[in-house]
This record gives sequence, structure tokens and C-alpha cells, in this order.
Amino acid sequence: GQNIDQPTEMTATEGAIVQINCTYQTSGFNGLFWYQQHAGEAPTFLSYNVLDGLEEKGRFSSFLSRSKGYSYLLLKELQMKDSASYLCAVMDSNYQLIWGAGTKLIIKP
Amino acid sequence: KAGVTQTPRYLIKTRGQQVTLSCSPISGHRSVSWYQQTPGQGLQFLFEYFSETQRNKGNFPGRFSGRQFSNSRSEMNVSTLELGDSALYLCASSPSLRGQGVFNYGYTFGSGTRLTVV
Repeated sequence: GQNIDQPTEMTATEGAIVQINCTYQTSGFNGLFWYQQHAGEAPTFLSYNVLDGLEEKGRFSSFLSRSKGYSYLLLKELQMKDSASYLCAVMDSNYQLIWGAGTKLIIKP
Repeated sequence: KAGVTQTPRYLIKTRGQQVTLSCSPISGHRSVSWYQQTPGQGLQFLFEYFSETQRNKGNFPGRFSGRQFSNSRSEMNVSTLELGDSALYLCASSPSLRGQGVFNYGYTFGSGTRLTVV
């Protein structure tokens, strides 16, 4: 079967750095997405990786290792508004998005 | 430009009834996908439409169906509702099925319809 694993919840301090991991086993691979979802709101797109390596976008970076079936989202200089759920999704060989259950990130002052 | 609009925002239905949810994509977007989101399970893919044709279907029973109109608006229908159908139903639009429009900007989600079956 297809499986995406992420930690259920993480806690970090304002101003710090946090890394949210995602491991996957899917039928084929056509890229990996990260989304942010604030409580009661729509998920919003953060990043897309299809090649190995690190992609940086401001305070957020996303890393992919296809051989290890592994990705992480790195958030720097954490702000209170970063408190949200972070969703990892893999596009499989049928171009369907397979989603992890999400990681709830709690930022403390 | 206007985002993805889903109506209604909230819905309460009784077991056995049917329901229709609506999604208006971003202007110019031709692809619409539907997802079911439940606590602890993440998003589950229902189906994807492009140019009025269903291009992809997830692993849901036949009670779940959808369609897309010529203006790219999409509807999702659930018949013979069960308690387990209670969830947030999200739709997402993109300019195309695949390609740089999706990979650079991702899919844009609506705020969802929260369906409660009692």
C-alpha cells in the first residue's frame, strides 16, 4: 500500500528553527508537495520538490531524497503565525496526491 | 483575483439523505480536484476533473460522484449518507492537469464544506 508518515505534533519556540520530517512509500513518484493549513482554513501551497536536494524560499526550505523516500520542511526564525498544520503529499505514478495526516506545529513564546 | 469558492460552508444532513456540494475554481483554472479531510486521516483523494471529464478517481464507493461543467465549476454528490461521511470536503483548482502551473504554484484550495451527518 501507499503510506506517508509525519510526526503528529511538534512544539518549538518563537525565533528558533524546526524541521518537520516526512517519509513515504508510494507507487511511483512524481514529486512531493508541502502545504500549510491554519485551523479552519484552506491548505496553502508552500513548496514542490521533484529532484533531490534543498529548495529555499525565504524562511522556509524543503529537502528531498528520493532514494531514501524522505523529505523535510525546515522553518527558520519561527513566528507565532507559523502555528499551523503542515501537510506532506506525494504525487504517485497515477498523478494522484497521497497525503500524510499532517504535523501540528505549536509555537511557544 | 477571486479564490476557489465552495458552497455551502456548513451542512447538516440526516443519514440516508443525499447532498450536493459546489466548487467554483479560480478563473482560468480548468482542473478541479475533490478531497475528504477527517481528523487524524489527512486528505483523501476523491476525484479530479479537467475539461468536463473525470481524469482520476480515488478509492471511494460509488455513492460519491461528481461532475464538471463547461465553465469549469464542479459539483460533488454523495447519496445515501452515512455517519462516517461527516468530514470537511475540500476542492482544489489548478490551471492544468500537470505541468509547471501545478508544480510552481501547487493546487489552490477552497475553504471547504463541513458536512455533518446525524
